[in-house]
Amino acid sequence: AQKVTQAQTEISVVEKEDVTLDCVYETRDTTYYLFWYKQPPSGELVFLIRRNSFDEQNEISGRYSWNFQKSTSSFNFTITASQVVDSAVYFCALSELGGGSNYKLTFGKGTLLTVNP
Amino acid sequence: ETGVTQTPRHLVMGMTNKKSLKCEQHLGHNAMYWYKQSAKKPLELMFVYNFKEQTENNSVPSRFSPECPNSSHLFLHLHTLQPEDSALYLCASSPQRTSGSYEQYFGPGTRLTVT
Repeated sequence: AQKVTQAQTEISVVEKEDVTLDCVYETRDTTYYLFWYKQPPSGELVFLIRRNSFDEQNEISGRYSWNFQKSTSSFNFTITASQVVDSAVYFCALSELGGGSNYKLTFGKGTLLTVNP
Repeated sequence: ETGVTQTPRHLVMGMTNKKSLKCEQHLGHNAMYWYKQSAKKPLELMFVYNFKEQTENNSVPSRFSPECPNSSHLFLHLHTLQPEDSALYLCASSPQRTSGSYEQYFGPGTRLTVT
């Protein structure tokens, strides 16, 4: 089973629509961290948000919002009023010890979001 | 320069060539990472360095050889590669390796094509 599952491979929306990117994770650790990264066509991954396992407060940053629910092991990402510049691949990632001595960051396969004008 | 830089941005090499990828971070971080990103696959962690010491090698073939001369620079030496090694190679850095809470900062990657 995948540790980080992003079931949506590709999503296409029209500008100004709201869109939610799903992320489901799997871990046995009680302390872990979740991340979202954006990868525009230029290639570099851009950090968007970090959430630790003890903080289930939802967060809003401008048009971006994140919904962390431990009960369903989900960390979903919503873009409100999408814009063409939001077109990118979005990655959800989990950082955990998993029984090891170093934290390991595991990425999902990513969701390609295309926002059409 | 700021952030994480990688050179070259694009590289085409034959299977018998030897080349090196370079990564430099200007963030004062102590941990550096090499990732491989192939089409339709999750990012694969290859190597991790913390305070110039290699702390992780995820069963990477010996035709990939990393080098970390100091905390700001990371190299990936390539030799006798295979066509399946064609991918985007991403370098990242973070303050240190021991905490899972630090986000990693990524470079733009080197697009490698092995012919």
